[in-house]
Amino acid sequence: NAGVTQTPKFRVLKTGQSMTLLCAQDMNHEYMYWYRQDPGMGLRLIHYSVGEGTTAKGEVPDGYNVSRLKKQNFLLGLESAAPSQTSVYFCASSYKGLHGTQYFGPGTRLTVL
Amino acid sequence: GQQLNQSPQSMFIQEGEDVSMNCTSSSIFNTWLWYKQDPGEGPVLLIALYKAGELTSNGRLTAQFGITRKDSFLNISASIPSDVGIYFCAGQVNAGNMLTFGGGTRLMVKP
Repeated sequence: NAGVTQTPKFRVLKTGQSMTLLCAQDMNHEYMYWYRQDPGMGLRLIHYSVGEGTTAKGEVPDGYNVSRLKKQNFLLGLESAAPSQTSVYFCASSYKGLHGTQYFGPGTRLTVL
Repeated sequence: GQQLNQSPQSMFIQEGEDVSMNCTSSSIFNTWLWYKQDPGEGPVLLIALYKAGELTSNGRLTAQFGITRKDSFLNISASIPSDVGIYFCAGQVNAGNMLTFGGGTRLMVKP
């Protein structure tokens, strides 16, 4: 099993550009999450999904959109990138009801100029 | 919102030394977790604690759930170079709630 994979690993955007980060998991997990990691601030939840076709806002959702069209995929979109969105983005997944036991992907390092 | 304060923010120790770090909160959590993030990777769950006062080990790692439910501690004995990374604590109020993460403790080990 590959676990949780993220595409791409690195990306540089100009302010105002858009992009989509892809997360895929092959563990048949119900729950999926998107976090951002900034120095000294730990991991902050952007959006999450408790099942196919459902999404919900986390702690820092502004400027991001998500979609969960298939159970194994969770997409994070930036419609108009801003320098404040420069960060490392992590996707995670977990079994239903087990938010605590999350499996993380390797991360995507995004720089917005 | 809820915040978890981890200390120290970073540690630079000699191989073989023991390490202690902690995580405190102004509010109660009913589950505490410790994750480790290797350089360039995503976090991996090390230990989960579900009961106040609980002491749980995973190899050279030992974590404790504080009796006030507002803190947790992680100890690493006889550190080795592969212990290098960032250690995150995370708290969960109830099973249906999301995790709140601390800011992390960066551990560096000198061979």
